[in-house]
Amino acid sequence: EADIYQTPRYLVIGTGKKITLECSQTMGHDKMYWYQQDPGMELHLIHYSYGVNSTEKGDLSSESTVSRIRTEHFPLTLESARPSHTSQYLCASSARTGRAGANVLTFGAGSRLTVL
Amino acid sequence: AQTVTQSQPEMSVQEAETVTLSCTYDTSESDYYLFWYKQPPSRQMILVIRQEAYKQQNATENRFSVNFQKAAKSFSLKISDSQLGDAAMYFCAYRRDATSGTYKYIFGTGTRLKVLA
Repeated sequence: EADIYQTPRYLVIGTGKKITLECSQTMGHDKMYWYQQDPGMELHLIHYSYGVNSTEKGDLSSESTVSRIRTEHFPLTLESARPSHTSQYLCASSARTGRAGANVLTFGAGSRLTVL
Repeated sequence: AQTVTQSQPEMSVQEAETVTLSCTYDTSESDYYLFWYKQPPSRQMILVIRQEAYKQQNATENRFSVNFQKAAKSFSLKISDSQLGDAAMYFCAYRRDATSGTYKYIFGTGTRLKVLA
């Protein structure tokens, strides 16, 4: 059982609403990531963080934003959801070398977002 | 820039048989990590196996083993005695060594494995 939790698992929301996808991990991992994945398709890195107060945009441009105020928490926010944001969002974490789970990416169960 | 290529969008295998999934990558680095991840339908992505580039010995995990050919930049996954529960999307991934200062994982496009009863 993974120690990285995402909520909500499923969200259906109307256009223009603000949404926050939560991601928390209890492993003490310093690195956290958000991937966007359409069903059965490849993963696209949209945000990552190497530690508290450190966030970077990933390889795929996204209108979402992230924050990293606490080590264990890495929420993703969409200020105004649109149908084009419909997708699955996967949160993941990894540890610095030497710690448990070092060099291995551990994934959450995902948040499936549908914007009507 | 590093790239990961999975040339087989879909593969099928008969239950109890063996199947090999292909993965090639491109990098100029000498130290890095390679991974195979499994994503069952509507379920969590989990690590299947990993390989450190500096290790010549191929990694094995029960029925799963890899054929790591560093010079050819090839990293295939062999699943022996296939089971119905092996049906999933399989993603090959690459990560540079930590001394590079980057910890981004690069994923291939995935191979969908079907297991036939």
